[in-house]
Amino acid sequence: ETGVTQSPTHLIKTRGQQVTLRCSSQSGHNTVSWYQQALGQGPQFIFQYYREEENGRGNFPPRFSGLQFPNYSSELNVNALELDDSALYLCASSLGGLATIREQYFGPGTRLTVT
Amino acid sequence: AQKVTQAQTEISVVEKEDVTLDCVYETRDTTYYLFWYKQPPSGELVFLIRRNSFDEQNEISGRYSWNFQKSTSSFNFTITASQVVDSAVYFCALSEGSNYQLIWGAGTKLIIKP
Repeated sequence: ETGVTQSPTHLIKTRGQQVTLRCSSQSGHNTVSWYQQALGQGPQFIFQYYREEENGRGNFPPRFSGLQFPNYSSELNVNALELDDSALYLCASSLGGLATIREQYFGPGTRLTVT
Repeated sequence: AQKVTQAQTEISVVEKEDVTLDCVYETRDTTYYLFWYKQPPSGELVFLIRRNSFDEQNEISGRYSWNFQKSTSSFNFTITASQVVDSAVYFCALSEGSNYQLIWGAGTKLIIKP
């Protein structure tokens, strides 16, 4: 069974640029959630995708957007990067549907630094 | 509003000591789920346990045990005979019945000294 993978591992961008982060879900999982974790804090929910549809969103501006593909892999796009976007971005996959609570399995994260 | 509080920012103990990590939650729902995750220095969050609001039975898994008490809105985690490999940041998280979001505590950094 393949676990959750994320790419790239590290990324350095300049303020105002755009970035795309990628996530491959665990085999058999159809739901992907994205979280932002600032240094020394708990993760913050960005959004979740279930069967290629956005299934819920946290308190993040529209410049944070995402996609889920038919194979359930996912992308997180952030436009107009700000310094405060510097964080560890975590992807988690789970097996579930709408309003289904299941344990989520996390990837190793992408460390984004905005300068 | 839903909220998770982990009041202990950092705990340091000597190997083989028992240690308890506290988690207090707030929710208005009668149906909710509580989780514990471990985040070692590598950064990857590791799922430890999920408990639903209708199951107040305590659970033991090897050296790990969890005490869920609805009366005090607490879901505490105890490690017995701690080991250096237990050093990590531990997060408690809450999800309400109709809301798939995980709301996280700030985490407790556990340092186990040899």
